[in-house]
Amino acid sequence: GAVVSQHPSWVICKSGTSVKIECRSLDFQATTMFWYRQFPKQSLMLMATSNEGSKATYEQGVEKDKFLINHASLTLSTLTVTSAHPEDSSFYICSARSGSNYEQYFGPGTRLTVT
Amino acid sequence: AQSVTQLDSQVSVFEEAPVELRCNYSSSVSVYLFWYVQYPNQGLQLLLKYLSGSTLVKGINGFEAEFNKSQTSFHLRKPSVHISDTAEYFCAVSEYQAGTALIFGKGTTLSVSS
Repeated sequence: GAVVSQHPSWVICKSGTSVKIECRSLDFQATTMFWYRQFPKQSLMLMATSNEGSKATYEQGVEKDKFLINHASLTLSTLTVTSAHPEDSSFYICSARSGSNYEQYFGPGTRLTVT
Repeated sequence: AQSVTQLDSQVSVFEEAPVELRCNYSSSVSVYLFWYVQYPNQGLQLLLKYLSGSTLVKGINGFEAEFNKSQTSFHLRKPSVHISDTAEYFCAVSEYQAGTALIFGKGTTLSVSS
């Protein structure tokens, strides 16, 4: 149980275009989802926290107009990178938590390359 | 706010040797503690977690960690490593409060050679 999927697993897009990444909880209801970003050989940096039906809470320094997060249902959150630039190239990982459960379940990640 | 410090960015050992990866945390409230492993180009796999109770926690793949509240540490250990343990290891902390995110350390690269 407690499986989180991400789609796509990797994506290449041209500079200036937008790309959407989906994060789904397959066998539980995710009241809270988190989005992390990981640069090569670095740690995971929390980008934002989203609760179902609410606006996402972004970490300091993360542009909310650039990284649009939607958590419209209890099983799906999306991250849209708008007007992507090469510096947005990174590994994006989502995680999901159910209710008051302490544990987060991580997706396999999405590798974004902007050319 | 919490923070996590992994004291070694890289650790290199020979196969079958013991290893310890060090982690210290800082928080003004009670926390949960986790160790994750990440293989190249993959997501995170939970190795073990400390929630409460016994300070010695056993996880998967023969790993264990000890929570030391007075030293605010949660070091990861394995008595005998395999080449397949070569990976990136992350220590993470979250507050007891529901809904808070995990905060990760910078990671330790473990290289095991024969």
